[in-house]
Amino acid sequence: DADVTQTPRNRITKTGKRIMLECSQTKGHDRMYWYRQDPGLGLRLIYYSFDVKDINKGEISDGYSVSRQAQAKFSLSLESAIPNQTALYFCATSDTSKRLFFGSGTQLSVL
Amino acid sequence: AQRVTQPEKLLSVFKGAPVELKCNYSYSGSPELFWYVQYSRQRLQLLLRHISRESIKGFTADLNKGETSFHLKKPFAQEEDSAMYYCALSGDGNQFYFGTGTSLTVIP
Repeated sequence: DADVTQTPRNRITKTGKRIMLECSQTKGHDRMYWYRQDPGLGLRLIYYSFDVKDINKGEISDGYSVSRQAQAKFSLSLESAIPNQTALYFCATSDTSKRLFFGSGTQLSVL
Repeated sequence: AQRVTQPEKLLSVFKGAPVELKCNYSYSGSPELFWYVQYSRQRLQLLLRHISRESIKGFTADLNKGETSFHLKKPFAQEEDSAMYYCALSGDGNQFYFGTGTSLTVIP
């Protein structure tokens, strides 16, 4: 059973559409993160949350928003998708030892 | 500002040869450094942390504060080591910053 689950696994959408990527975890961790992975650019932090009431912008938050609905759920939204948001998106949690646990990723394509 | 640099995008070595994946960082405080690995069709997973001073799957990494480096080494590469490797840094704020990754191919 996956500890960090992302849905959907793949998504194709059109420019201008609103889209939500979902992440849930069963690890009981307070800290959750959203990253995007682009070839040659590695992983870049979009948003992070240290508890339900704590949301913080990362390096590349423009064009994205997040919602921490519960300790176990952290959703990423693209308000109006654009083609350069085509990427592989990862959700992660971390424990108190600063170990990150990743989901399997969501491949998003914006046409 | 914090930064993690992995100078090699691609690295190929023969099976049994030593391998070293380079990682340099810049950070004004006392960082924690990590190596994460992504095998084909698997999730990103932690390989090792500098604070643990451990050896995982034959890999080691030593934090050199003078050279601000955290290079990953293995004396004898195996085919199953072929993967994408990311160096990551965590500072005081519990954020994590990743390098651009090195794709390692071990040639049989």
